[in-house]
Amino acid sequence: GESVGLHLPTLSVQEGDNSIINCAYSNSASDYFIWYKQESGKGPQFIIDIRSNMDKRQGQRVTVLLNKTVKHLSLQIAATQPGDSAVYFCAEGGGANSKLTFGKGITLSVRP
Amino acid sequence: EAGVAQSPRYKIIEKRQSVAFWCNPISGHATLYWYQQILGQGPKLLIQFQNNGVVDDSQLPKDRFSAERLKGVDSTLKIQPAKLEDSAVYLCASSIGLPGVQPQHFGDGTRLSIL
Repeated sequence: GESVGLHLPTLSVQEGDNSIINCAYSNSASDYFIWYKQESGKGPQFIIDIRSNMDKRQGQRVTVLLNKTVKHLSLQIAATQPGDSAVYFCAEGGGANSKLTFGKGITLSVRP
Repeated sequence: EAGVAQSPRYKIIEKRQSVAFWCNPISGHATLYWYQQILGQGPKLLIQFQNNGVVDDSQLPKDRFSAERLKGVDSTLKIQPAKLEDSAVYLCASSIGLPGVQPQHFGDGTRLSIL
């Protein structure tokens, strides 16, 4: 079946270090990928997205890398801060109906 | 820009009762989505509207769940009768509605507990 998954359920990093969150997808027809951050009691918050015609996109302190050959997506967070502690979801989509399929989420914990 | 508004934030009901959730999307967003998020999992799409028409309701349990978006703006999601497994957070999201996939923006959800 088609699925979006994350390799690790939790990730613990030291404040100030860089974080890398990985995601695998299996639907080769997907042409849109997006990362969300979800804090406790809140809805998912858009971080960054990328389309399949790109392999890298940068935002403020975040970079998303897309490797279509191995169907892999990663989110890099530079100089991780305590406020980055949250659950991170990757999601994939494609086609005209704009439907997104979410993975299970990974918890990022930042150590002071 | 105001975000997606949802109410109520919390709801506790007994099984077999009915419940309704309300969503007001971001102004100008043509596409509206309802998701169910069970603890520890990613959101699962229940239904997607484009203006006031249903685009995808393939994962909506239609024997107990219903949703409407009569004027193409606000939307309500109803569960009747509720089951224990319906305990979850119900998220509403909206997107601008251009062709193809666009970022979806979420509300903070309604946390539903079934006793």
